[in-house]
Amino acid sequence: AQKVTQAQTEISVVEKEDVTLDCVYETRDTTYYLFWYKQPPSGELVFLIRRNSFDEQNEISGRYSWNFQKSTSSFNFTITASQVVDSAVYFCALISSTGRRALTFGSGTRLQVQP
Amino acid sequence: DSGVTQTPKHLITATGQRVTLRCSPRSGDLSVYWYQQSLDQGLQFLIQYYNGEERAKGNILERFSAQQFPDLHSELNLSSLELGDSALYFCASSVAEFLDDGYTFGSGTRLTVV
Repeated sequence: AQKVTQAQTEISVVEKEDVTLDCVYETRDTTYYLFWYKQPPSGELVFLIRRNSFDEQNEISGRYSWNFQKSTSSFNFTITASQVVDSAVYFCALISSTGRRALTFGSGTRLQVQP
Repeated sequence: DSGVTQTPKHLITATGQRVTLRCSPRSGDLSVYWYQQSLDQGLQFLIQYYNGEERAKGNILERFSAQQFPDLHSELNLSSLELGDSALYFCASSVAEFLDDGYTFGSGTRLTVV
């Protein structure tokens, strides 16, 4: 069975602070993909990143960076110099190469960035 | 615009009723997936269709059914609606039967059952 845990239910920061959203996953498969999605107040799900299990390189995209560590089954997401527009719910998700081929989502972390 | 179109955006209906949610996948995508986002269950996979055939089933209730038509649009039918069916229903599409570059999600249909 697959599982994604986002232990942080809600985080509140002040603009320009850095913030890290944690994601821990469980799967028995050796080939899998990890994702982060953003859900702004408008409700749509916005794809942020996809990482496969064989690529442990960290990735940086502007103010966003992701740290993938297989040893701890974690795929954490950091926003540097947060902005009010970053306020949203962020979901980590997992899909394995076998099984149902459907995304298993974490429960999400609500990020509030205060001006 | 993600290219995945869901209609209607909002739907309010009474308990016991039946509704149909519609999804048009991104051009060229053959797979359609339905997800439900509710306050108590979070985001859950319901069902997948690939090129008109059902391919995978998740936590979909027996009162719910779906199909994918020859033009590849899909419909999710929800019947005998209960208050607990109130949720945001997402459709997503992908080119392949199995995940390749990821899903593209539509903007969702917000269903309110009163």
